[in-house]
Amino acid sequence: EADIYQTPRYLVIGTGKKITLECSQTMGHDKMYWYQQDPGMELHLIHYSYGVNSTEKGDLSSESTVSRIRTEHFPLTLESARPSHTSQYLCASSESGTRSTDTQYFGPGTRLTVL
Amino acid sequence: AQSVTQLGSHVSVSEGALVLLRCNYSSSVPPYLFWYVQYPNQGLQLLLKYTSAATLVKGINGFEAEFKKSETSFHLTKPSAHMSDAAEYFCAVSTPGGSQGNLIFGKGTKLSVKP
Repeated sequence: EADIYQTPRYLVIGTGKKITLECSQTMGHDKMYWYQQDPGMELHLIHYSYGVNSTEKGDLSSESTVSRIRTEHFPLTLESARPSHTSQYLCASSESGTRSTDTQYFGPGTRLTVL
Repeated sequence: AQSVTQLGSHVSVSEGALVLLRCNYSSSVPPYLFWYVQYPNQGLQLLLKYTSAATLVKGINGFEAEFKKSETSFHLTKPSAHMSDAAEYFCAVSTPGGSQGNLIFGKGTKLSVKP
């Protein structure tokens, strides 16, 4: 069982609110990721980080932002939530930032609904 | 550019029957290939991965997959389905170099197991 945690698990908020989705891992992994998952669709990478003070945008454009101040923590923030942000957000981590064979370990996800 | 195609968004089998979930990839360089499983309300968990060693890869829970370069395929099989196999299965590809460790996912196949 991977030690990667996401809070909250479910969140329902109104349009215009600022939200932060939390992700923490206790495995000491260098690389962390945020994915967006919608039913019947691929997981889309929206942000990733190779380590502290490193953040990169993923393949899918997102209005969210991320930070990596500590190795174990990779929060995602939406400054002003909109209904189009309604989705499931999955956080993941992997041991290395450079090996393409590394396994990614996933958290349980946050299901966000914006009314 | 890399891509993954999973044939069949839904597959239904009877308990004890063969499970076959199809995955085809497109990659300009030899790929690394992964199968992940997602149970309801959970994150993804690695089933198995191909990293250019043996072409027949055995994973957890009795699953295996065979890398066939000539067919650009990496189909997932299990000889005898169990009720607990009901879940969504995702095929993913990564390649050496480039965005190291970043995965491209297919759209997933939801497996139902009938008693």
